[in-house]
Amino acid sequence: AQTVTQSQPEMSVQEAETVTLSCTYDTSESNYYLFWYKQPPSRQMILVIRQEAYKQQNATENRFSVNFQKAAKSFSLKISDSQLGDTAMYFCAFMKGLLGNQFYFGTGTSLTVIP
Amino acid sequence: EPEVTQTPSHQVTQMGQEVILRCVPISNHLYFYWYRQILGQKVEFLVSFYNNEISEKSEIFDDQFSVERPDGSNFTLKIRSTKLEDSAMYFCASRGTSLQETQYFGPGTRLLVL
Repeated sequence: AQTVTQSQPEMSVQEAETVTLSCTYDTSESNYYLFWYKQPPSRQMILVIRQEAYKQQNATENRFSVNFQKAAKSFSLKISDSQLGDTAMYFCAFMKGLLGNQFYFGTGTSLTVIP
Repeated sequence: EPEVTQTPSHQVTQMGQEVILRCVPISNHLYFYWYRQILGQKVEFLVSFYNNEISEKSEIFDDQFSVERPDGSNFTLKIRSTKLEDSAMYFCASRGTSLQETQYFGPGTRLLVL
C-alpha cells in the first residue's frame, strides 16, 4: 500500500520569504509520479508541480521547486518569494505506475502568508 | 484553458435520498475519477473509470455508489441512499492518455446530508 505523510499541519511565512513544506511517502513501486496540489479557500485543487520518479533532476515551476530524494522517499516543496496568493492548503500526492490511476494524498499543510 | 466543471456546486439532501453529482471532464480526456474530502480530512479516492467501465475503486465505493458516463461529455456519481457520513466535498478529475498527463480536478460539489 502507498502512504503519503505530511508532518506539518500548519505553517506560516512572511511575504517575500521562502518556505519549505515537507512530504514523505512509502511505496514499493519503482515507477511513480509525485505531485503538489494547492487548494485555496475557493477549494478547487490546482496542480503546482509534478515530479517523475525516474528523473533525478528536481522539478521547478517559477517560484516553486521540489527537493526530491528518492532513496529517502522525500518530496519537499519550496516556495520562494512567498506571495499572499500562496495562502492555501497544500497537498502532496503520489500516483503509482506510468499509467497510474488513483492518487494517494497526504493530509495537507495549511500555509498562511503573512503580509 | 480547458477545465473540469461540476454541478451543482452545493447540494443539500435528506438522509436516505438519492443524489446525482455531475461532472464534465476535459473533452479529450479518457480517464475519469471521483474523490471525496470530508471536512478537515484528506482527499480520498473513490473510483476511476475508463472505456465505459470502472477500472479501480476504493473500499469507500460500496454498493450505494455508482458511476456512469451517460453521453460523450458527462460523468456522474450517484449515491442511492445517502447517509449522514456521506457529507463531504466531492471532486471529479480527468486525465488524458499521455504519460505526461496529470489529473485535473474540478471545483467540487459540497454535499450536505441532513
